[in-house]
Parts: sequence; C-alpha cells; structure tokens
Amino acid sequence: GESVGLHLPTLSVQEGDNSIINCAYSNSASDYFIWYKQESGKGPQFIIDIRSNMDKRQGQRVTVLLNKTVKHLSLQIAATQPGDSAVYFCAEWGGGGSNYKLTFGKGTLLTVNP
Amino acid sequence: GAGVSQSPSNKVTEKGKDVELRCDPISGHTALYWYRQSLGQGLEFLIYFQGNSAPDKSGLPSDRFSAERTGGSVSTLTIQRTQQEDSAVYLCASSLRSRDPSTDTQYFGPGTRLTVL
Repeated sequence: GESVGLHLPTLSVQEGDNSIINCAYSNSASDYFIWYKQESGKGPQFIIDIRSNMDKRQGQRVTVLLNKTVKHLSLQIAATQPGDSAVYFCAEWGGGGSNYKLTFGKGTLLTVNP
Repeated sequence: GAGVSQSPSNKVTEKGKDVELRCDPISGHTALYWYRQSLGQGLEFLIYFQGNSAPDKSGLPSDRFSAERTGGSVSTLTIQRTQQEDSAVYLCASSLRSRDPSTDTQYFGPGTRLTVL
C-alpha cells in the first residue's frame, strides 16, 4: 500500500493467522516483480518473485498474486509466525529500451502478536 | 565471504563533514549497487557498477555524492559536506553478473545508518 508522510502502513496479526500485504505498482510495462522482507537492522531479503506472464506463484508458506489489470501485487503469508515480523515491500522491474530499472515500494510493517 | 558486508554499521557525523561508507560484495559478483533508504521511503537507486564498465551514476542526488570500486570488488561511497537530509540507511547490494534481477538476484548488505547532526 501507499504510505503517508513518514509512516509506513502497518498490519498487525495474531500468530497462526494468514497475512495479506498489498502493493500497487506504477509501470504497466513492468515484467518482473519481487517481494522483499526487511527485518529491523538488516538488509532486504528476497522472498518470492513473479513474472508478468503469471498471475500466481507459490513458495513455502508464501504466495504472490499479480493483477496486471489494476497494477496490483499481493503477498500472502500462511500461518504467520513471530519471525515473520518485518517490513515487506515489493519491487518492479520495467522500463523501455535500455532504461530498465528496479523500482521499490515503500513497504508495509507486519507485526505478529504471539 | 558469505554475504555482502558493509562498514561502519552506524555513522554519526556533523553537518559539513565528509563520510566514507564501505561495501564488500559477495566474492565473484561483478555487479554492485548502492541504494539509499530514507525513513518511510522506498529504496532509492544511487549508482551501479558492472565489471570494468563505466558506472551508471544516474541516481546520485548531487555532486557531493561519489563512489568508486577498486579492483572490481570493494566499493566506497563518499558523501562530501554532509547535510542533514543525507541522513538515511545506505544499502549496498551485489549480483553475479546481470543487472536484470529476473536473471541474477541482488543480495543486500545490512546497511550503514548515517546520521548527520
């Protein structure tokens, strides 16, 4: 989701619940998307990716959904655990000609309550 | 090394001073990136190195920012005459060869948190 000012969107869930984190991307020509997890004091870590010719991809406990019609990505985390608490952000790879670039979203803070 | 390392992890400086931030990429990775992460903002691309090619400096916000990569490995990001708005986390990443993340994953270091007083 979009952030307002300096504050990230936040999502608070109970341990064991499923989490859904959303991201709106900007470039309809983007052809590859990534979800990252960033724990406090650490660098971003790749979680899962999806190409634009797909609408769903599953990993271990995570699923990414892509809706190109509305330029929307979501990350679903099944059976959320306290260790999933982090900032999650999406990135899109796109552009024209030789001007491809990786553009990052602002992120959502996920808090998992035990 | 096992991953990308950066030093220092934290840097506090006074306005007007110069700072140098260091990045050690994963051994064998020819592509290296610097990003800036300001509070509540997405990662902002700064500069990209690929082997011996001329770096892509298109993301550097001003001429106070510069970076070099010596011997195709370690990189240093230098900020001259620091300003308060330079306060941010500076992240370095490396990838095996390609800038295309669908081909080669970018691996990030833990970042350097810069605070300019």
